Amino acid sequence: EDQVTQSPEALRLQEGESSSLNCSYTVSGLRGLFWYRQDPGKGPEFLFTLYSAGEEKEKERLKATLTKKESFLHITAPKPEDSATYLCAVTEGGGNNRKLIWGLGTSLAVNP
Amino acid sequence: NAGVTQTPKFQVLKTGQSMTLQCAQDMNHNSMYWYRQDPGMGLRLIYYSASEGTTDKGEVPNGYNVSRLNKREFSLRLESAAPSQTSVYFCASSADRTSSYNSPLHFGNGTRLTVT
Repeated sequence: EDQVTQSPEALRLQEGESSSLNCSYTVSGLRGLFWYRQDPGKGPEFLFTLYSAGEEKEKERLKATLTKKESFLHITAPKPEDSATYLCAVTEGGGNNRKLIWGLGTSLAVNP
Repeated sequence: NAGVTQTPKFQVLKTGQSMTLQCAQDMNHNSMYWYRQDPGMGLRLIYYSASEGTTDKGEVPNGYNVSRLNKREFSLRLESAAPSQTSVYFCASSADRTSSYNSPLHFGNGTRLTVT
C-alpha cells in the first residue's frame, strides 16, 4: 500500500538546537515530494518540491533533502517562529492515475 | 495578494441541514481542490477540478457535491449534514492543467465546520 510516514509525531527544541524531521515513503513511482508548513488555524503553506534522489533545496534555516526512500527537513538554529506543523506529501503514479499522498505531519515547538 | 479565500471561517450546523462552502482564487490557476483535515487522518481529497467545467471525485466524496462556477470559484455543498462531516475544510488551487500534481498547492485558511 502506498503511504507516507512522518517522524517524529512531535518535536520540542530549544532555540538554536538544530534537528531533522523525517518523511519516508513507499510508493510505486515517485513523481515529486512536497514539504509544507502549517500554522495553527491556517492552511498549509508550500515550502519545497524535490523531484529526484540527491536533490536539495534551502530556504533560510530550512534545508530539504531527498533519497530514494525518504526525505529530511533539516532545521538549523531554529527560532520560536519556526514552531508549526510540517507536512510532507508525495506525488505518485502516472497518466490519469496520479495521486498526492499526505503524511500526518510533525508538530514542532521551539522554545525561546 | 489574497491568494485563496474561503468563506465562512466557522459554521455550526444541525444534522440534516445543508450549506455551501465558498472558495475563490485570484492566481489564475487552472486546478482547484477541496480537502478535509481530521486529527489522525491527515488531509483527504474530497473533490477536485482540473479545469473550468470539469470536476472529479477524490478519496472521500460521499455526502458532498461541488460546482466549478468559473475559473476563479469552486464551491462545496453539503446537502444533508451529518456529524461525521465535522471537520476543517480546505480549498486549494494549483497551476496544473491536469490532475498531475506537478505544481504546489496553494491553500486557503479553512472553514471549521461542526455538525451537531
